[in-house]
Parts: sequence; C-alpha cells; structure tokens
Amino acid sequence: EDQVTQSPEALRLQEGESSSLNCSYTVSGLRGLFWYRQDPGKGPEFLFTLYSAGEEKEKERLKATLTKKESFLHITAPKPEDSATYLCAVRTMTTDSWGKLQFGAGTQVVVTP
Amino acid sequence: EAQVTQNPRYLITVTGKKLTVTCSQNMNHEYMSWYRQDPGLGLRQIYYSMNVEVTDKGDVPEGYKVSRKEKRNFPLILESPSPNQTSLYFCASSFLSGGGPGETQYFGPGTRLLVL
Repeated sequence: EDQVTQSPEALRLQEGESSSLNCSYTVSGLRGLFWYRQDPGKGPEFLFTLYSAGEEKEKERLKATLTKKESFLHITAPKPEDSATYLCAVRTMTTDSWGKLQFGAGTQVVVTP
Repeated sequence: EAQVTQNPRYLITVTGKKLTVTCSQNMNHEYMSWYRQDPGLGLRQIYYSMNVEVTDKGDVPEGYKVSRKEKRNFPLILESPSPNQTSLYFCASSFLSGGGPGETQYFGPGTRLLVL
C-alpha cells in the first residue's frame, strides 16, 4: 500500500534558525512529488514539484530535494512569515491511479521572532 | 484573476438532508479534484475528473457523488450526509500533464461542513 509520511508533526523555530522537514514515501513508482504551503483557514498553495532522485528546487528561503525514498524541505534563516503547515503529496505510476494524489498529514511550522 | 471558487464557504446541516457544494474554475483546466481535510489525517482525495464526463474515485469516495457536465464546474454532492462527513472540503484544478494532475494545482478557499 502506498504511504506518505511527514515528520515532524510540528516544529517551532526561532527566527533565523534553519531546519528541515521530511517527507518519506513508499509508493509503486513515483511520477512526481509536490510540496504545498497551507496557511490557517486557506487552501494549499503550490511550492515545488520534483520528479527524479537528485533533483533540487529553490524559492526564496525554501529548498526542496528528492531521494529515492524521501524528500526534504529545507528552510534557511526562516522568518515569522514562513509559519504555515507544509504538505507533501505524491503521484504514482499504478495504472488505476493516474489521476490520484496522495498527501501526507503535514508539518506545522511556527517561527517566532 | 485566476481562481477556484467554492460555495458555500460554511454549511451546517442535519443528517440525511441532501446538499451540493459547488466548485468553479476560470482557468480552462482539464483536471479537477475534491479533497477533505481532517485533523491528523491530512488531505484525502474524494473524487477527481480528467475532463468533461470523465470522473474517477479517489481514496475516500463513499457517501459522495460528483458530476462534470461542463469543464469549469465540478460539484460535490452528498446525497444523505452523516456526521462522519463533517470536515473541511477543498476543490482544486490544474492542467493535465502526463495523464494526470499537472505541476501546479490551484486550490479553492475551502468549505467547512458540519453535519448534525
């Protein structure tokens, strides 16, 4: 059974204190791993897509990386406005799931001044 | 402005009273999807649609129906709501890529449903 697990569940950081979030997956053939940011009371907002091991993408203080079993979202020198829940999701290769996306439970990040 | 809209945003209803949550997008996207979000469980996919008249089940389709008669609209129907369908619902859309949802999926603002 396909699984997507995010850790930690919650993370409290001081402003400027860099850290990493983890998204591990066990799926039958990855067709894409997505990172989203979700603010309270709002819909998720797309951040990155990664397709193959070794791929990296950056946006401001965020950097996403991918290996064969997991993805990391690195937050460098975070600011309070980076506080949000970060979600990862995967698309898989199974023939009956071309349209499916499976999400992890998310990591809630709080950055204090 | 490119957007996904959902109505209503908040809804309180009673067990067994049929309801419909509407979803509309103005980006000409082929792919549309419904999710529910519950504490500790994350987002779970209910149904998705690759194009007009093409729909398929996600991971938690029981108790829900959908239809895709027009490209821009993808309503979620609860024929006989029950308390375990109390949740936060999101609609999303994207272009198709490689036979599935594209890179950037746009989400609506959410519909908070309480079934008594």
